[in-house]
Amino acid sequence: AQSVAQPEDQVNVAEGNPLTVKCTYSVSGNPYLFWYVQYPNRGLQFLLKYITGDNLVKGSYGFEAEFNKSQTSFHLKKPSALVSDSALYFCAVSSLYNFNKFYFGSGTKLNVKP
Amino acid sequence: DTGVSQNPRHKITKRGQNVTFRCDPISEHNRLYWYRQTLGQGPEFLTYFQNEAQLEKSRLLSDRFSAERPKGSFSTLEIQRTEQGDSAMYLCASSLTGTSGNTGELFFGEGSRLTVL
Repeated sequence: AQSVAQPEDQVNVAEGNPLTVKCTYSVSGNPYLFWYVQYPNRGLQFLLKYITGDNLVKGSYGFEAEFNKSQTSFHLKKPSALVSDSALYFCAVSSLYNFNKFYFGSGTKLNVKP
Repeated sequence: DTGVSQNPRHKITKRGQNVTFRCDPISEHNRLYWYRQTLGQGPEFLTYFQNEAQLEKSRLLSDRFSAERPKGSFSTLEIQRTEQGDSAMYLCASSLTGTSGNTGELFFGEGSRLTVL
């Protein structure tokens, strides 16, 4: 069965500090991993993806994520958080084995305080 | 604007009525997905199309739900005899499947919020 777990409902961080939003996955076949961000009353926006190659991928707005196959994780990171990063973040997984259906985690609310 | 467009953005209806949502994907995208999102949850897969073919429907999708993509362009999602439990945000997304079979990232519309009274 394919699934994504985001173990933290909420992450609080002070502006300027590094942030990490956690994601673990379970999927048959090679995983394709994605992060999306959702601002209030807006659609989901793509941040970054891992398909193959370098385990560290860089995306929009200074975010990056590291694919760890042995730990089946794909944590989202940013070296220095901004108040404007406050939003809801979703991890998603897909694979050719499940015909490219995307499975989403339940989301993590990121609060960045000034 | 060349993004994914959904209409209407908000729909309030009485229980038992039928509703229809429309999605216009990014024009060159061959895949179109419908998801449902409730408060505090991530998007749940409902169905998807490769061009005009509906390839899979989730078990979440009861017989009251039907989706079409008649010419491989826009899609409609109809809910018949709505129930209060159908209240949710209905999200449409599109993507481009490459020659390797891998699907690129999803591009989402802003969603259609359904409230069933």
